[in-house]
Amino acid sequence: GQQVMQIPQYQHVQEGEDFTTYCNSSTTLSNIQWYKQRPGGHPVFLIQLVKSGEVKKQKRLTFQFGEAKKNSSLHITATQTTDVGTYFCAGPLGNQGGKLIFGQGTELSVKP
Amino acid sequence: GAVVSQHPSWVICKSGTSVKIECRSLDFQATTMFWYRQFPKQSLMLMATSNEGSKATYEQGVEKDKFLINHASLTLSTLTVTSAHPEDSSFYICSARRPGSRGNTEAFFGQGTRLTVV
Repeated sequence: GQQVMQIPQYQHVQEGEDFTTYCNSSTTLSNIQWYKQRPGGHPVFLIQLVKSGEVKKQKRLTFQFGEAKKNSSLHITATQTTDVGTYFCAGPLGNQGGKLIFGQGTELSVKP
Repeated sequence: GAVVSQHPSWVICKSGTSVKIECRSLDFQATTMFWYRQFPKQSLMLMATSNEGSKATYEQGVEKDKFLINHASLTLSTLTVTSAHPEDSSFYICSARRPGSRGNTEAFFGQGTRLTVV
């Protein structure tokens, strides 16, 4: 069945270091979304990528969508303690609108 | 952004009892809502799609008789965990999309409900 794999599962960094999480889909995706979930909280939408090779930036966050639209990455430059949380990528599940399949998530901890 | 409200945020129940979780879209009408389940340190797994005015559609492996879904209005979907067992303890989260958001499939999530069955 359709799968979305995400690595690494955990990442511990010192404040100021960079962080990257990678997402790979078993199928071509029409779009990919990224969510952040703070400890004890619910997922919050960060961004959606649609175009092959697309790159989007949000301040210190850089999102990329692969040329084949099967992989994506999220890179955070100079992490801060406020970046702590679990980052999930998600793609459409099947062809039915609205359903999402999530990657396993990458839990980021930042040591001040 | 759109607001999806979920209630209760946490609940503890005894084995064998049923628990109802509500999911409301506060500032838009949602013909479709989604129910996910998340175990500790794990990802969100789609359980079912809640359709206003019709039966919910369940993902493979999800027991429809155990997880009853009712989408009685355009702003409310409920998930009832029937005859709960300790293995049903989990974080249940609903989501909805704002209608008419062509090209943008952003999902708005409720706050989640942490269910503990003792």
